[in-house]
Amino acid sequence: QLVLTQSPSASASLGASVKLTCTLSSGHSRYAIAWHQQQPEKGPRYLMKLNSDGSHSKGDGIPDRFSGSSSGAERYLTISSLQSEDEADYYCQTWGTGIVVFGGGTRLTVL
Amino acid sequence: ELQLVESGGGLVRPGGSLRLSCAASGFTVSGNYVSWVRQAPGRGLEWVSIIYSGGSTYYADSVRDRFTISRDNSKNTLYLQMNSLRDEDTAVYYCARAPYSGKYNSGHDAFDIWGQGTMVTVSS
Repeated sequence: QLVLTQSPSASASLGASVKLTCTLSSGHSRYAIAWHQQQPEKGPRYLMKLNSDGSHSKGDGIPDRFSGSSSGAERYLTISSLQSEDEADYYCQTWGTGIVVFGGGTRLTVL
Repeated sequence: ELQLVESGGGLVRPGGSLRLSCAASGFTVSGNYVSWVRQAPGRGLEWVSIIYSGGSTYYADSVRDRFTISRDNSKNTLYLQMNSLRDEDTAVYYCARAPYSGKYNSGHDAFDIWGQGTMVTVSS
């Protein structure tokens, strides 16, 4: 079964960096994933896509402070130079034929 | 500008029906893979349904046989017909686009455009 696992919460200080993790279920380590950001009271916003080989592409207008990487079944989103507007929920998404799956989301608090 | 705009949400009684619309601009729904995703109050994102560019449709188990996804190419609009609504269908409903990609077996890429959402409340 295709499942994505995320930690429910994370926190980091203003100006620091944070690395969020999304883990693919067993047998699905080669799947690509996407990261989406949802700021409070707003709809989701596409940040980037990550392939299993580490290649990635970002959405239009996404700052260079957002970067992605992959290792085995894990996909990472790193946000550097944290700003107050980065405080949001972050969801990973993957997909196959006839199915789309979201992780449970990570709520990032900027201290 | 690439955009999706949802409409049609509202308050409906359990067992009732509602049809949501999602108007696309800047691209064609027929040439892309377009989906509905919902978010219950205080909860995470839940995929609901997707329609492929070729017309195939797929549903989450929680809505199969109750919801129907469709599109009107002439209006460049996506629809979600929701029947036999339950309290647990209460959520903000978003539409999202997944562009074609030959890289993946599914034929499509990640969701790259989202609408602003429309609220559906199922309550007596």
